[in-house]
Amino acid sequence: KAGVTQTPRYLIKTRGQQVTLSCSPISGHRSVSWYQQTPGQGLQFLFEYFSETQRNKGNFPGRFSGRQFSNSRSEMNVSTLELGDSALYLCASSQQAGMSTDTQYFGPGTRLTVL
Amino acid sequence: AQSVAQPEDQVNVAEGNPLTVKCTYSVSGNPYLFWYVQYPNRGLQFLLKYITGDNLVKGSYGFEAEFNKSQTSFHLKKPSALVSDSALYFCAVRDRNTGFQKLVFGTGTRLLVSP
Repeated sequence: KAGVTQTPRYLIKTRGQQVTLSCSPISGHRSVSWYQQTPGQGLQFLFEYFSETQRNKGNFPGRFSGRQFSNSRSEMNVSTLELGDSALYLCASSQQAGMSTDTQYFGPGTRLTVL
Repeated sequence: AQSVAQPEDQVNVAEGNPLTVKCTYSVSGNPYLFWYVQYPNRGLQFLLKYITGDNLVKGSYGFEAEFNKSQTSFHLKKPSALVSDSALYFCAVRDRNTGFQKLVFGTGTRLLVSP
């Protein structure tokens, strides 16, 4: 079974631009979460989606948004990019929402560099 | 609020020796605990989790972890380290009461196994 896939793997943008990152979960997984990883802040939770609905949101500004499609694929968008948005963005999938025992499986990440 | 502490930034061990990577947690109630490993330029790879039951949890690649409720710890162990185990290790906790998938991660411990 294929793992979580994320595209693109690398992105370079300039301040003020916007970016869209894509995530395809493991087949059969319906819950998708996003995390940001930076050297200074570590791994921080961004959002969780299930059945096209955002179930939970981390403490990030409104410039960060996401959505989930009917096939469970998810995208996240960052508008008006700032230098501090440079990070590795990780997507994770699990089988279903509401099951705290579920394991999240992570994709390889998208490395975003903001110049 | 739940939190995880990994008190060591780096652990050095010789190949063939046992290794321990420490993790302590702070949650209200009983925790769900996870260990992940990250290799350079890769996403997080699931190693093992504690949900309930036996305090000794066995996971992938010969790793195991011991849940100790009185010491609020969940240390990762391996009887005999390999050079290929060198990587960044993350401990994480999940709130079992909300049903959300969100993981709260520690700051990570870099494991360096020397030949």
